[in-house]
Amino acid sequence: GAGVSQSPRYKVTKRGQDVALRCDPISGHVSLYWYRQALGQGPEFLTYFNYEAQQDKSGLPNDRFSAERPEGSISTLTIQRTEQRDSAMYRCASSLGHDGNTEAFFGQGTRLTVV
Amino acid sequence: GQSLEQPSEVTAVEGAIVQINCTYQTSGFYGLSWYQQHDGGAPTFLSYNALDGLEETGRFSSFLSRSDSYGYLLLQELQMKDSASYFCAVSPAGNNRKLIWGLGTSLAVNP
Repeated sequence: GAGVSQSPRYKVTKRGQDVALRCDPISGHVSLYWYRQALGQGPEFLTYFNYEAQQDKSGLPNDRFSAERPEGSISTLTIQRTEQRDSAMYRCASSLGHDGNTEAFFGQGTRLTVV
Repeated sequence: GQSLEQPSEVTAVEGAIVQINCTYQTSGFYGLSWYQQHDGGAPTFLSYNALDGLEETGRFSSFLSRSDSYGYLLLQELQMKDSASYFCAVSPAGNNRKLIWGLGTSLAVNP
């Protein structure tokens, strides 16, 4: 597609429910990143893929969070047993991934609200 | 670990020049990036410095000094549409292209 697409744009869920957030990166982009952004702060790194391989998941807050990118394109971030503190903007970004090219293109994000 | 410091707010007038500084402490360092984010929008890439010196892209320039662990973003001929948050972000050493972000500088451009 023309840009990074995330769905849904808004998600309201009850505490304890599982949610799945989807990211469709720019076609041909090797690297895909998930970030979480609280209001008034910079994005916080969660996890990162090259093709289908999860290269770094050090930013995932706990084992309720997981991500996959099974075919090296679309990725899903899953949060199990959601808690109110999980409420945030979740942003996906993709980049070409070639050495020296670091420009990341961000999607519009998914605003998650846990009530 | 990594940490970045940048001013929280900057105010300027149309047509002026403003410099947003960023100092960083990292256990490894590959490069310094700058992103712009308007309220309610997604971050958009402005510039990247892997080497010391100045990178110029139109009205925006970015500078890096590795020895000083310091960089800045220079915005010239400010326009109202430049009102936004500006983030510096570092890429750790190695092949990991994740970004570690500062807290952002909110720039207000007044008429």
